[in-house]
Amino acid sequence: QQQVKQSPQSLIVQKGGIPIINCAYENTAFDYFPWYQQFPGKGPALLIAIRPDVSEKKEGRFTISFNKSAKQFSLHIMDSQPGDSATYFCAASIVDGNKLVFGAGTILRVKS
Amino acid sequence: NAGVTQTPKFQVLKTGQSMTLQCAQDMNHEYMSWYRQDPGMGLRLIHYSVGAGITDQGEVPNGYNVSRSTTEDFPLRLLSAAPSQTSVYFCASSRHGDSYEQYFGPGTRLTVT
Repeated sequence: QQQVKQSPQSLIVQKGGIPIINCAYENTAFDYFPWYQQFPGKGPALLIAIRPDVSEKKEGRFTISFNKSAKQFSLHIMDSQPGDSATYFCAASIVDGNKLVFGAGTILRVKS
Repeated sequence: NAGVTQTPKFQVLKTGQSMTLQCAQDMNHEYMSWYRQDPGMGLRLIHYSVGAGITDQGEVPNGYNVSRSTTEDFPLRLLSAAPSQTSVYFCASSRHGDSYEQYFGPGTRLTVT
C-alpha cells in the first residue's frame, strides 16, 4: 500500500512547456514534503521541499503547490528544458521521525 | 567530501549466495538508511539506523540484515539471495531529525539469477 500516490507514471513535454506532477497522501502526521530528482545511473537528489503551513514554494524554475485540505501537492517545472529529463519522486516525512516515504516516481522527458 | 559511497556498483549473484553491500558516509550524519528501487514502485525503505548500535526495520526488511558499528558505515547483508531481490539498492544518510533531506549514494545494481 503506497502511502504517497504519484501521477502520472510518465510525461513527455516540449521544451518550454510546464510539466505538472501530482501527489496525494493520507497520513496527516506527515509534516514535510520533499521532491527528489534522479538522473539515469545516479542516486536521487533533493530538489525542493515544502512544509504544510505554506501553500507554495518556488526555487528557480521549480514550484511546489500544496493543498493541505485536499492532502495533495504538486511539482511544476516552468520553461522546461531537455536537461530536466529525469525521474521525479515526491516524498513525505515526519520531521521528528526517521522515515521518508516515496511515491512511485514520474519519468519526465522534455523534447527539444 | 566524498559524500555517500557504495560498493560494488554492479553485482551478479546466484540464488542462495550471500553478499554484503557496503555503504559509507563522511558527513558525520547520524541517520543512515537502505532503499531498493524497482520500476513503478519508487524507493522502498529496507532498514535504517539513527546512530551507531541502533537499527530498525523499514517497509521491506525480509531477507536483509544490517548493523551499524560506526557512524560512517552501514553495510547491508543478503543472507541467501533470491531472484526477488534483483533491484537497484541505494544507501542514504541525513542529519537526525532532517530525514526529508537525504543524501543518496550512486547505487548498486544487483541481479540474482
